Amino acid sequence: EADIYQTPRYLVIGTGKKITLECSQTMGHDKMYWYQQDPGMELHLIHYSYGVNSTEKGDLSSESTVSRIRTEHFPLTLESARPSHTSQYLCASSELRDRGSNEQFFGPGTRLTVL
Amino acid sequence: KNQVEQSPQSLIILEGKNCTLQCNYTVSPFSNLRWYKQDTGRGPVSLTIMTFSENTKSNGRYTATLDADTKQSSLHITASQLSDSASYICVVSDRGSTLGRLYFGRGTQLTVWP
Repeated sequence: EADIYQTPRYLVIGTGKKITLECSQTMGHDKMYWYQQDPGMELHLIHYSYGVNSTEKGDLSSESTVSRIRTEHFPLTLESARPSHTSQYLCASSELRDRGSNEQFFGPGTRLTVL
Repeated sequence: KNQVEQSPQSLIILEGKNCTLQCNYTVSPFSNLRWYKQDTGRGPVSLTIMTFSENTKSNGRYTATLDADTKQSSLHITASQLSDSASYICVVSDRGSTLGRLYFGRGTQLTVWP
């Protein structure tokens, strides 16, 4: 079954630690996205990718970095986590040529808490 | 500035009742409008999509309307169920960029009580 996966679902970590949030999709989508969402607030785009070796920064400035070495995999890394990074991180994907509907399929999210 | 505003911010209704959620947007040029349902701790799932020429779209007990002239949309939920408790997010897409930029509202938090 085609789907989009995120691990871990929940992460509690101390300040200064390096973390990587994993995102994988089995739909063969070229476009992938990372969003940050705080409670009661809208989703903010922090990174996106058009395909392998393509990464771009989104609208919301983020200290995180991303990589796209394989089509199905789009991990997000924080070199030194801080309490201000506490948030929910959502990964999404869509077809490259589907400009008509622009449907993005979302993963379940990773709830990150930095102490 | 492209924005999406939703109202009410939160809503509590009794099981079996109907409700209507509102969405106003200023996104231009407009491509389409989606309503997403986001359960607590989960990612958003698309309920309906409407393009410029469509003014009504149904998906089971969910009916979305779009008035492209006034830039307003509504989501009507009929005969609510406990499982309808979630955040409903209005998302508008523009057609002015190759990315297909999405603009998200903050959502309406719906709680259905038994």
